[in-house]
Amino acid sequence: GIQVEQSPPDLILQEGANSTLRCNFSDSVNNLQWFHQNPWGQLINLFYIPSGTKQNGRLSATTVATERYSLLYISSSQTTDSGVYFCAGGPSINAGGTSYGKLTFGQGTILTVHP
Amino acid sequence: GAVVSQHPSRVICKSGTSVKIECRSLDFQATTMFWYRQFPKQSLMLMATSNEGSKATYEQGVEKDKFLINHASLTLSTLTVTSAHPEDSSFYICSARAVKGGTYYEQYFGPGTRLTVT
Repeated sequence: GIQVEQSPPDLILQEGANSTLRCNFSDSVNNLQWFHQNPWGQLINLFYIPSGTKQNGRLSATTVATERYSLLYISSSQTTDSGVYFCAGGPSINAGGTSYGKLTFGQGTILTVHP
Repeated sequence: GAVVSQHPSRVICKSGTSVKIECRSLDFQATTMFWYRQFPKQSLMLMATSNEGSKATYEQGVEKDKFLINHASLTLSTLTVTSAHPEDSSFYICSARAVKGGTYYEQYFGPGTRLTVT
């Protein structure tokens, strides 16, 4: 199956700093998502981004599908950004098959933003 | 839009009993839902894919007789942990697959259920 490697595993920032999180995939994925898991365990969708670049406020993401990696950028970090960031990917929906859009998760990046 | 709920959020049960966890898509229909397990400070591990109206597909190493999945409607999937033991204690999270713009699917996650077996 697909292997997903995230880096760095831990990141400590001062409020206001910028950061880049990276996700590498062992194989091509057509279904790629970034999530933020808050301290209560809820996963919040950040981006669906199998290719290209998207931005949402202080967050943006870029996926280079041909090189099998994705980046998540956090600018002007705030204490509320703290938590675990996961990327997850998988094959596209396989009509008649069994993939059904399964996601394989990376190990996550634990982000701590200090005031 | 694309809200997924789980119930209960937290449950404590005695060893040997069974526990049912419900996962509902509140504002969309989901023909496919997924069940994950997460241990402390670890990533999510897919347990099974739940398909409306058909049998669930379990990942390798997951005991289908211990973790019973039923997806009886387009908005509800249930996970029953049968004859629970302390090693089944974990954080269980469901997700539902939503069609976006008619062209692709995105998974949305419930808030999770923390199961403690004593």
